[in-house]
Amino acid sequence: EAQVTQNPRYLITVTGKKLTVTCSQNMNHEYMSWYRQDPGLGLRQIYYSMNVEVTDKGDVPEGYKVSRKEKRNFPLILESPSPNQTSLYFCATSWGSEQYFGPGTRLTVT
Amino acid sequence: RKEVEQDPGPFNVPEGATVAFNCTYSNSASQSFFWYRQDCRKEPKLLMSVYSSGNEDGRFTAQLNRASQYISLLIRDSKLSDSATYLCVVNRGTGNQFYFGTGTSLTVIP
Repeated sequence: EAQVTQNPRYLITVTGKKLTVTCSQNMNHEYMSWYRQDPGLGLRQIYYSMNVEVTDKGDVPEGYKVSRKEKRNFPLILESPSPNQTSLYFCATSWGSEQYFGPGTRLTVT
Repeated sequence: RKEVEQDPGPFNVPEGATVAFNCTYSNSASQSFFWYRQDCRKEPKLLMSVYSSGNEDGRFTAQLNRASQYISLLIRDSKLSDSATYLCVVNRGTGNQFYFGTGTSLTVIP
């Protein structure tokens, strides 16, 4: 079954404690991206990757890092999380122009 | 100015009604256009792509007006299951950033 998986699905953490949200896809897609979704602001792209070892900033990259060492995985790293990074995060992959989203990770930073 | 703007609604319509959503985009270089559907707390899913000539998929019709930088979605014979948030999405080209509108909320009432 074609799918995009994210882990963890829910996370409550404290300010400054480094965390990683994993994203994995089994569709062999080259394009992957991370979004955050906040009320009234919609989905905003954080980073995207067009292929292995190629990453680019989206609209809201500050405070985030990514890596793309292999095609199937695209982890999102928060080196020092802050409360304003409390949000719903989605990973997505793309074949052509259609995007397939993971189930989301709800992150709360206290 | 936002890349993509949508009327957030909410739209509350009776079953069987016809409802239309509109979306405008700011960048004339945009090349690909989509409508996604998002159910509460779930990941967005592609509803339909929007082609220059307009396209129809069952009860759903999408239109694109490049001159006015305007996209629309028409839903005929609304069903209870159509209740969701509808997201307008624009892409400047394959492999580039995707820009999402904040979404339009639809509730279909029995």
